[in-house]
Amino acid sequence: DVKVTQSSRYLVKRTGEKVFLECVQDMDHENMFWYRQDPGLGLRLIYFSYDVKMKEKGDIPEGYSVSREKKERFSLILESASTNQTSMYLCASSLTGGSGNTIYFGEGSWLTVV
Amino acid sequence: GQNIDQPTEMTATEGAIVQINCTYQTSGFNGLFWYQQHAGEAPTFLSYNVLDGLEEKGRFSSFLSRSKGYSYLLLKELQMKDSASYLCAVTATGGSYIPTFGRGTSLIVHP
Repeated sequence: DVKVTQSSRYLVKRTGEKVFLECVQDMDHENMFWYRQDPGLGLRLIYFSYDVKMKEKGDIPEGYSVSREKKERFSLILESASTNQTSMYLCASSLTGGSGNTIYFGEGSWLTVV
Repeated sequence: GQNIDQPTEMTATEGAIVQINCTYQTSGFNGLFWYQQHAGEAPTFLSYNVLDGLEEKGRFSSFLSRSKGYSYLLLKELQMKDSASYLCAVTATGGSYIPTFGRGTSLIVHP
């Protein structure tokens, strides 16, 4: 089974703190994604990466950056957390090469910024 | 861009059949996913449709009409554990095949 692991399930951070959300997948997938999920807004893509050291902005990249130094690991960084970044963050991965490749999600990280 | 529309909430009775609709507007449509998400958990894959017609998988079936920009997820013999959010997601050739998700339909199954 594909496993996507997010290291932190629940975090509480202060406004202005730097926050790292880590994600690791064990299926040698080329693509990795970070989404945030908010009530009434659904899943929105923040950033994705299709290869090591490659990254592309999604729909809502402002206030976020990412790092992909190794194929299995994709990190989401909040340089200076703000209260409007309180949300559930979902990491995902998939194979490349076409539209039929299933996206596999991690369990999610609940971030509260106070 | 892509526009995906699905009902916000539905309720149904245990043992019944429910149909969750999804309409979409996109250029370069490629395929449509359905995911299930229980509260506090990760979305899990249910089905993928790329051609018109019905795909059946146990109690769950998914239908696609590309000409109408329409899909539905059909759940039969509903069980309490089917209470969850159901997400419709569309991929398009212009979007690097990355799925764009609808806002999800919260299904409540009651006894």
